[in-house]
Amino acid sequence: DTGVSQNPRHKITKRGQNVTFRCDPISEHNRLYWYRQTLGQGPEFLTYFQNEAQLEKSRLLSDRFSAERPKGSFSTLEIQRTEQGDSAMYLCASSLAGGLGYEQYFGPGTRLTVT
Amino acid sequence: AQRVTQPEKLLSVFKGAPVELKCNYSYSGSPELFWYVQYSRQRLQLLLRHISRESIKGFTADLNKGETSFHLKKPFAQEEDSAMYYCALRKNGGSQGNLIFGKGTKLSVKP
Repeated sequence: DTGVSQNPRHKITKRGQNVTFRCDPISEHNRLYWYRQTLGQGPEFLTYFQNEAQLEKSRLLSDRFSAERPKGSFSTLEIQRTEQGDSAMYLCASSLAGGLGYEQYFGPGTRLTVT
Repeated sequence: AQRVTQPEKLLSVFKGAPVELKCNYSYSGSPELFWYVQYSRQRLQLLLRHISRESIKGFTADLNKGETSFHLKKPFAQEEDSAMYYCALRKNGGSQGNLIFGKGTKLSVKP
């Protein structure tokens, strides 16, 4: 297991197009998180899953954003009708649930550029 | 609202000098605090967590609830410590799941 993987690593799209990103977590991890990072900022939480259930969504996650984790393994994040403000690094992380101090393991990210 | 503040965007020190990266938080409950590090061209990774009270790569951080701070310290900086450092908070003992990050501090250790 090489850790959390994300595809694609880079995506350039035109405004108004839809894009979908994929995240494959560490295999035994039941929690999966999505974050967004813009230039000069730390990662900002978008949503997370425990198994296939989406347990929390940030107010940053507008109606144009949807995330799924259908079988409790990989996850997809779709952005519909992309806007230039969606340009960012999208990070995925996974962890085991519960307990104090548990670690989230991050993927390399998908860099989205909306032109 | 919960917030993590890292007041320095950039911290530049010479090799062998002490380093302190500041982190302050606002949260009314009992938080978990973490330091994450991102080396050049690498992914974000955990450096240390307050619950473990550990020293990793010579770094330590103590949670000061009175001052709501979790500053990261190292007595003698090394060039390989140059990286982006993020302080992060998790609410409610982990049940909420997500991390709240500061904006990060870029540490540059000069030879």
